[in-house]
Amino acid sequence: QSVLTQPPSASGTPGQRVTISCSGSSSNIGSNYVYWYQQLPGTAPKLLIYRNNQRPSGVPDRFSGSKSGTSASLAISGLRSEDEADYYCAAWDDSLSGSWVFGGGTKLTVL
Amino acid sequence: QVQLQESGPGLVKPSETLSLTCTVSGGSISSYYWSWIRQPAGKGLEWIGRIYTSGSTNYNPSLKSRVTMSVDTSKNQFSLKLSSVTAADTAVYYCARVTTVTSIWGQGTLVTVSS
Repeated sequence: QSVLTQPPSASGTPGQRVTISCSGSSSNIGSNYVYWYQQLPGTAPKLLIYRNNQRPSGVPDRFSGSKSGTSASLAISGLRSEDEADYYCAAWDDSLSGSWVFGGGTKLTVL
Repeated sequence: QVQLQESGPGLVKPSETLSLTCTVSGGSISSYYWSWIRQPAGKGLEWIGRIYTSGSTNYNPSLKSRVTMSVDTSKNQFSLKLSSVTAADTAVYYCARVTTVTSIWGQGTLVTVSS
């Protein structure tokens, strides 16, 4: 059971816009930045979005992040076949002495 | 650019201690938090904990009683020890440098717990 809640799957056709949600609480998303990772099969996760809505250099502007209250979303526009991957949200959690928490991951399928 | 590489036994017996080392190259280990994250096959990511180069640590509350992390700045390495392992600890273990604006991960190493 992950601290952050994501839908297990999402899908879309090439060119479509897809959104993936991430729900948390006041101790994590509600008071800290949200991060999004993309994981291709057999590889380490890659940072896609940092500080809620910022893209690292090299990440296409088709990827965007947003946050409201204790929830966050990742949007992918102009869906491409190479976007098929697992996506994870993450945030620092202030409970106890603090820890990073992840969502359970969303498997994105490009139909 | 900074690169991370995990190393350690790929097979550990139940009840024994899992030990992994992460070697940092292309930059200094100083003045950063260094994390361990694991991923069982077909499952999601689980943060194990992090250590600052001063030795200060934060651990996942669910693993805290079994985890010890250390750092060796002279070797540009940091390490993970997980005691009393069971089959549930079988996973790919990643080391990573996570800041508020960047995230650099190693390629990961599979550790299997089995007799």
